[in-house]
Amino acid sequence: QLQLQESGPGLVKPSETLSLTCSVSGGSISSSNYYWDWIRQPPGKGLEWIGSFYYGGSTYYNSSLKSRVTISVDTSKNQFSLKLSSVTAADTAVYYCAVGGGIAVSHSWGHGTLVTVSS
Amino acid sequence: EIVLTQSPGTLSLSPGERATLSCRASQSVTNNFLAWYQQKPGQAPRLLIYGASIRVIGIPDRFSGSGSGTDFTLTISRLEPEDFAVYYCLQYADSPTFGLGAKLEVK
Repeated sequence: QLQLQESGPGLVKPSETLSLTCSVSGGSISSSNYYWDWIRQPPGKGLEWIGSFYYGGSTYYNSSLKSRVTISVDTSKNQFSLKLSSVTAADTAVYYCAVGGGIAVSHSWGHGTLVTVSS
Repeated sequence: EIVLTQSPGTLSLSPGERATLSCRASQSVTNNFLAWYQQKPGQAPRLLIYGASIRVIGIPDRFSGSGSGTDFTLTISRLEPEDFAVYYCLQYADSPTFGLGAKLEVK
């Protein structure tokens, strides 16, 4: 059973870069035939897919965020990461990492971490 | 971008009743790549259905999904107290998009 845990700063200043890491346990991020996702949810609002990667080199991004998003993998640490640059208050959200058999079709999720963008 | 419209926005029912939630897409969802999630307050979403009608292992059989093309439905045959939550549909045929959600509340 894969388990995921998000970590990173809970407060980011406007115009700076949001950086989060998802630590994976219960399986190897490099040997699983899965899509590894980042999804966010602004307070009191709905879900938004940010991006995903499929081990083997394919990375997929939401077109509305693509210019600001980078998803990367550290197989030695069994982690994957999210970087979102030039953040504004609109990027305030609970950020989830997740994994599943299709892009955003995620059967296992982290608990989520709230990131607030404020000076 | 495929826009998903969920209706109703809020559904008020009693335990034991049948719930029907709708998800309409702005264009046809190829291969019925449509999923349903359940989310309770303070929790991560839980995947219920994918491929429009395939129930995830461990999800009770009172949950069922149907539909094709642009019109999809999640049905909960007999509501249990733990089913009251917000439900989201997701299309993953194109760049993934979620519906705005439908709240199922106790009447």
